[in-house]
Amino acid sequence: SYELRQSPSLSLSPGQTARITCSGDALTTRSASWFQQKAGQAPVLVIYKETQRPFEIPERFSGSISGTTVTLTISGVQPEDEADYYCQSTDYSGVYFVFGGGTKLTVL
Amino acid sequence: QVHLVQPGAEVKKPGESVKVSCRTSGDTFTMYYMHWVRQAPGQGLEWMGIINIGDGIASYAEKFRGRVTMSGDTSTATAYMELRSLKSEDTAVYYCARDGPIKFGTWGQGTRVTVSS
Repeated sequence: SYELRQSPSLSLSPGQTARITCSGDALTTRSASWFQQKAGQAPVLVIYKETQRPFEIPERFSGSISGTTVTLTISGVQPEDEADYYCQSTDYSGVYFVFGGGTKLTVL
Repeated sequence: QVHLVQPGAEVKKPGESVKVSCRTSGDTFTMYYMHWVRQAPGQGLEWMGIINIGDGIASYAEKFRGRVTMSGDTSTATAYMELRSLKSEDTAVYYCARDGPIKFGTWGQGTRVTVSS
């Protein structure tokens, strides 16, 4: 079955830039989104269609794509950005959805 | 603003079924897609399937095919996910998440399902 690959963890200090990557062969043709999930809470959409940000999401969150890899960038991480981040896309058919394994961002 | 309302928790025994509800409040739109996603304790997000609430057509992840049924009631703006033949490994938080205008744009708060004898 189709998989999206994420690095498991990342630790940064406040003010640094976080780059979280997600790789999948179908990402050249299928749209991707990013979700933030804080402990004990439901996921929240932070980026959709690779680069689009919902209006309520801070500008420090941005997305990009290069080949088969999408990247979530958080410019100047804040303590409140500490969370698990998941990428999401579909397989080649576009019918079946999949999430990456998640990346735990720790802000020290 | 659209909200998705789910019950807080369910406790079931192995072999039983659970039917989780997800009620939409804040709009009257009846043509939308609803996803169901689950998260086992300490694990990541797992997509279970999607249903078109308007026509009732659903697609299920291969892992759950034959054991899950998703449905919707447009008169009450409520989506349902029924999972049968429960096992301890089905212990998880089950989320509904709605498409429109953005895929997975709105999530319910989750229903914690515990399967234990």
